[in-house]
Amino acid sequence: GAVVSQHPSWVICKSGTSVKIECRSLDFQATTMFWYRQFPKQSLMLMATSNEGSKATYEQGVEKDKFLINHASLTLSTLTVTSAHPEDSSFYICSARLQREGFYNEQFFGPGTRLTVL
Amino acid sequence: GEDVEQSLFLSVREGDSSVINCTYTDSSSTYLYWYKQEPGAGLQLLTYIFSNMDMKQDQRLTVLLNKKDKHLSLRIADTQTGDSAIYFCAESIHGQNFVFGPGTRLSVLP
Repeated sequence: GAVVSQHPSWVICKSGTSVKIECRSLDFQATTMFWYRQFPKQSLMLMATSNEGSKATYEQGVEKDKFLINHASLTLSTLTVTSAHPEDSSFYICSARLQREGFYNEQFFGPGTRLTVL
Repeated sequence: GEDVEQSLFLSVREGDSSVINCTYTDSSSTYLYWYKQEPGAGLQLLTYIFSNMDMKQDQRLTVLLNKKDKHLSLRIADTQTGDSAIYFCAESIHGQNFVFGPGTRLSVLP
């Protein structure tokens, strides 16, 4: 159980276009999802926290108008990279938080989406 | 702010043990994790340890935690070529606000 999927797994687009990436929790509901960005040979950097039914919380230095996040349901969060440029090329990974009784909440990670902007 | 550090590379011979080390700075961390990332793939949770534990063993994996020194290690016994991957150490407070280390690239030589 506790599977998170992402779609698409890879995408190539032209500079100036927008790209939408979906993150789904397949067998649990997630009020909170997270979006990370990973540059080649680097670690994951948290971009934003996606909250179901409310606005996302962005980390310092992440442009909210550039990276639009919508968490419209308990199983789906989307990240839209608007007016993509080559420097936006990266591996984007989402995670979904599974809340359990007690205080331990585990995050399950999606397989990632590789975005290449030409 | 919180910081997690790891050595970037480790090479071992097949059949030997691998030990990947990690240090962290946030003393309020409640959980510490080891994730594995294979090329082009997402993160796979290998194991985690609660901060009031000092050791956890799961088959070939042994996690040691020295809370006083804020040092975490992952030992992989009988390392196989399929263990070649990047291993990320991460810490969180109650499963929130994950902070990841830079990752250790493990190469297993035949």
